[in-house]
Amino acid sequence: DGGITQSPKYLFRKEGQNVTLSCEQNLNHDAMYWYRQDPGQGLRLIYYSQIVNDFQKGDIAEGYSVSREKKESFPLTVTSAQKNPTAFYLCASSTTLLGQGRQPQHFGDGTRLSIL
Amino acid sequence: ELKVEQNPLFLSMQEGKNYTIYCNYSTTSDRLYWYRQDPGKSLESLFVLLSNGAVKQEGRLMASLDTKARLSTLHITAAVHDLSATYFCAVDIFTGNQFYFGTGTSLTVIP
Repeated sequence: DGGITQSPKYLFRKEGQNVTLSCEQNLNHDAMYWYRQDPGQGLRLIYYSQIVNDFQKGDIAEGYSVSREKKESFPLTVTSAQKNPTAFYLCASSTTLLGQGRQPQHFGDGTRLSIL
Repeated sequence: ELKVEQNPLFLSMQEGKNYTIYCNYSTTSDRLYWYRQDPGKSLESLFVLLSNGAVKQEGRLMASLDTKARLSTLHITAAVHDLSATYFCAVDIFTGNQFYFGTGTSLTVIP
């Protein structure tokens, strides 16, 4: 079955440490996204990528970095510059078709990141 | 900046009752999506509305889109406990592949 796989499910970060969250999709989608969700809040866009080797900052990119070397993969690194990283991180993908071909985003199961 | 507002933010309703969740957005778009999120879980797509006047129904949920009013509604008919979840609407605009999410409506259905 096609889908999005995020790993790990739970992650703990020490002070001053960078951590990387994995996101892999086998849906053949061109576009991929990273969102942050804080308790009781909506989704805020961190980064998105519409094509391999290209990505754009979202609303809260500071303290995060991404790469898109393969169509299937869009890892997110939470750097030590992100002072409040505790949150639920969701990866999503979508087609880039418009008009009646437009499809909703597909989401992974998320990674819950906490500070030790 | 595109803004997407939902109301109410919190909704507690009795089983068997009807209610409507509203989603307003601030710029032109004819593509709107509704998602459901259970506590601690990911988002599940419910409806995709791709034109003015679009109406989709699945079970006790019905979604509609009025692009002229920049408004979508999610109507709940005869609520049951299984519908308890947080519901998000999202909009994407013509120029890009960026989706803008509403604040979410946390629905609790009380027996």
